[in-house]
Amino acid sequence: DAKTTQPTSMDCAEGRAANLPCNHSTISGNEYVYWYRQIHSQGPQYIIHGLKNNETNEMASLIITEDRKSSTLILPHATLRDTAVYYCIALLQGNQGGKLIFGQGTELSVKP
Amino acid sequence: GAVVSQHPSRVICKSGTSVKIECRSLDFQATTMFWYRQFPKKSLMLMATSNEGSKATYEQGVEKDKFLINHASLTLSTLTVTSAHPEDSSFYICSAIIPVGEQFFGPGTRLTVL
Repeated sequence: DAKTTQPTSMDCAEGRAANLPCNHSTISGNEYVYWYRQIHSQGPQYIIHGLKNNETNEMASLIITEDRKSSTLILPHATLRDTAVYYCIALLQGNQGGKLIFGQGTELSVKP
Repeated sequence: GAVVSQHPSRVICKSGTSVKIECRSLDFQATTMFWYRQFPKKSLMLMATSNEGSKATYEQGVEKDKFLINHASLTLSTLTVTSAHPEDSSFYICSAIIPVGEQFFGPGTRLTVL
């Protein structure tokens, strides 16, 4: 599975959009981009995933560049409860729900 | 989403004792479950893949005789930390795959070995 790189930490004002970048320059054509988040002392929570089209659900939007070398997770109206570590993971198609290799993630702090 | 539970949520034990942690899929059957551990301020590290009815597959560097995994049914996997030592103190998290392939995580178990 491709390696991903994310900024170590980010701040966001409550009510504003939080844009979390992820680089995956070695991603292969059949690897999906998955996003999970982990609130302190809890298990990770699935957010969204995509292959090449932009995706949106009730939690977030995922924007994937045309060359698929990077993506951005967007939380449109961040709240204090969105403070968490966000993980971007590249996962091989056919291995969905397979072994997730977590990097260091981005620690997002939403401030009042 | 699907619900995965863990029991206990936290446990304190004496050095040298064994501790069993249960991971259950509450509303679905899971042929595959995973076990992770997480040290403070660190990311999750995959320990092993638990397959129902067969032996677990351990990641490199994880001692299979120390971390015993049993997946006796489609809704239950157990992790037993044998002869626990203080360095085994960690946050242990399981996950389970639903039939369509998505993976859901349990709430974690905080183990403290005195």
